[in-house]
Amino acid sequence: AQSVTQLDSQVPVFEEAPVELRCNYSSSVSVYLFWYVQYPNQGLQLLLKYLSGSTLVKGINGFEAEFNKSQTSFHLRKPSVHISDTAEYFCAVSELNTGFQKLVFGTGTRLLVSP
Amino acid sequence: DTGVSQNPRHKITKRGQNVTFRCDPISEHNRLYWYRQTLGQGPEFLTYFQNEAQLEKSRLLSDRFSAERPKGSFSTLEIQRTEQGDSAMYLCASSAGGGDTQYFGPGTRLTVL
Repeated sequence: AQSVTQLDSQVPVFEEAPVELRCNYSSSVSVYLFWYVQYPNQGLQLLLKYLSGSTLVKGINGFEAEFNKSQTSFHLRKPSVHISDTAEYFCAVSELNTGFQKLVFGTGTRLLVSP
Repeated sequence: DTGVSQNPRHKITKRGQNVTFRCDPISEHNRLYWYRQTLGQGPEFLTYFQNEAQLEKSRLLSDRFSAERPKGSFSTLEIQRTEQGDSAMYLCASSAGGGDTQYFGPGTRLTVL
């Protein structure tokens, strides 16, 4: 069974600084990879996804992520964060061999951007 | 495209009562998913529908839980004889197909006293 590890439960950063949120996954088969963002009292919004092709994926709000198959990682990056990026970020995987797209999520990383 | 909607947004109930949540997916999305999210955790998969057929259920879905999707449109999730451990955010998502993005609703926050 697949699993996702987000090692950092909380990442504090100053506004306009770069940030990286780490995600590692475990699976015996090929996977799709996703990053979702959750603002307080709201549902999840897709930031970006990797299905195939280029390992560098660009998403909304200036975020990007790089798929590294050998390290089984899918870290999320942004070169310059804003106060409005303060939220909970979830990495998720879905195995390709399932007949449907069950998402398995990590425990989340809270990004705290301060002025 | 009005997005996935869920009702109610909040539900407070006493232990032992039954509750029902509703999810309206994006129109023409044939796949619908329910997840549960407890405090400090990521969402956990509960069940999945393709059209009106419930094709997969997690072991998290005990016998007290039942989900339906009549006519392949909206879905309901019922919890019978609620327990304090059922307190969580219940999220619904829909997608157009297997590899497509799952779009999440705002969730229903259940508090069992």
